[in-house]
Amino acid sequence: DTGVSQNPRHKITKRGQNVTFRCDPISEHNRLYWYRQTLGQGPEFLTYFQNEAQLEKSRLLSDRFSAERPKGSFSTLEIQRTEQGDSAMYLCASSLLGQAGNTGELFFGEGSRLTVL
Amino acid sequence: DAKTTQPPSMDCAEGRAANLPCNHSTISGNEYVYWYRQIHSQGPQYIIHGLKNNETNEMASLIITEDRKSSTLILPHATLRDTAVYYCIARLRFNTNAGKSTFGDGTTLTVKP
Repeated sequence: DTGVSQNPRHKITKRGQNVTFRCDPISEHNRLYWYRQTLGQGPEFLTYFQNEAQLEKSRLLSDRFSAERPKGSFSTLEIQRTEQGDSAMYLCASSLLGQAGNTGELFFGEGSRLTVL
Repeated sequence: DAKTTQPPSMDCAEGRAANLPCNHSTISGNEYVYWYRQIHSQGPQYIIHGLKNNETNEMASLIITEDRKSSTLILPHATLRDTAVYYCIARLRFNTNAGKSTFGDGTTLTVKP
């Protein structure tokens, strides 16, 4: 399967603990995005990368959140000192920009569901 | 991204056409209309997009009004597996901010037997 892969799919943690999610995008895609989704709401943009450069961060991304894409391939999203309000689905998506004719759509992974107790 | 407005929910009988509306009255001339859907517990899936002309692919048809202020996604023969949340997004296609799609809360389509 060459789609977007996210791990772990589910994470239960206690408040105050740190968690890290990993996203492996489609291999040739140069853009990678993180979204957060809570129950009954649409996905909310957190941040995105073009290759290894983090180009934009939402104000939703507090200083407890950090995302990296060190070699322009996989990405990690770390949440430090988790709070109950961090409980959500964290979605990763990738896309290919810059190639004539491509539709520019986002390809999403299955998501990583975080539950903070 | 231009703001989009969708009804929160719709029902459709299995085998009938599902017509999902979307208003995007502030869409700019270079913004495309994209549709995604999200089946429970999965990531959103791209369906179709268009700029001005009506579009059709193997999944759906997209009808965009001449003034581009609204559009309709048509699933010609809805099945139970089409039960999902459908998101309409108006965004730039090739731009440095093209990744920052604003999804809204979408329309929950329930296909009934």
